[in-house]
Amino acid sequence: SQTIHQWPATLVQPVGSPLSLECTVEGTSNPNLYWYRQAAGRGLQLLFYSVGIGQISSEVPQNLSASRPQDRQFILSSKKLLLSDSGFYLCAWSVSGWSGGYTFGSGTRLTVV
Amino acid sequence: KNEVEQSPQNLTAQEGEFITINCSYSVGISALHWLQQHPGGGIVSLFMLSSGKKKHGRLIATINIQEKHSSLHITASHPRDSAVYICAVKGSNYKLTFGKGTLLTVNP
Repeated sequence: SQTIHQWPATLVQPVGSPLSLECTVEGTSNPNLYWYRQAAGRGLQLLFYSVGIGQISSEVPQNLSASRPQDRQFILSSKKLLLSDSGFYLCAWSVSGWSGGYTFGSGTRLTVV
Repeated sequence: KNEVEQSPQNLTAQEGEFITINCSYSVGISALHWLQQHPGGGIVSLFMLSSGKKKHGRLIATINIQEKHSSLHITASHPRDSAVYICAVKGSNYKLTFGKGTLLTVNP
């Protein structure tokens, strides 16, 4: 069966520090991968999506970047965190092509202090 | 104006009550998702539907494409149903557009 792993679950980081959140998928090949952010009081917002290794599309200009070094690995990074980067970050995957459902990870709650 | 509107924003019910959460959208879609988010934050996909009605246990989801409206019903609600319920719509490509969610609290 397909599973998605996301870590860490919670993270408190000082302003200006780097960030690396990792997401891995098991049990499927060539998935579409997504990073979403949920800011307090707001709906989920798509940050990045990837249809293959090394292919990253950014939805929203920001202080973050994403990478896909392996087929089932998706990494969200920042060189220097801002206070406004605080939020709940979710990784998700769907089958290649756009017709399938989505499976979400358990999320990372990031607090920048 | 958000492309996906949910109502109500907050809903409190007594155990056993029948619950309805509504979702209206303003764009053409290929599918609509209902998601459940528990206090810890993790999201579970409940339904994906593009027409008609789906049922899973005590949960029922319906969609009316012409009216651009969907409803999520919970029969015989239970405190463990307490969560945020999120409606999301999908166009012809990868992108999901999310509603802001409905916070449901079911009291024993």
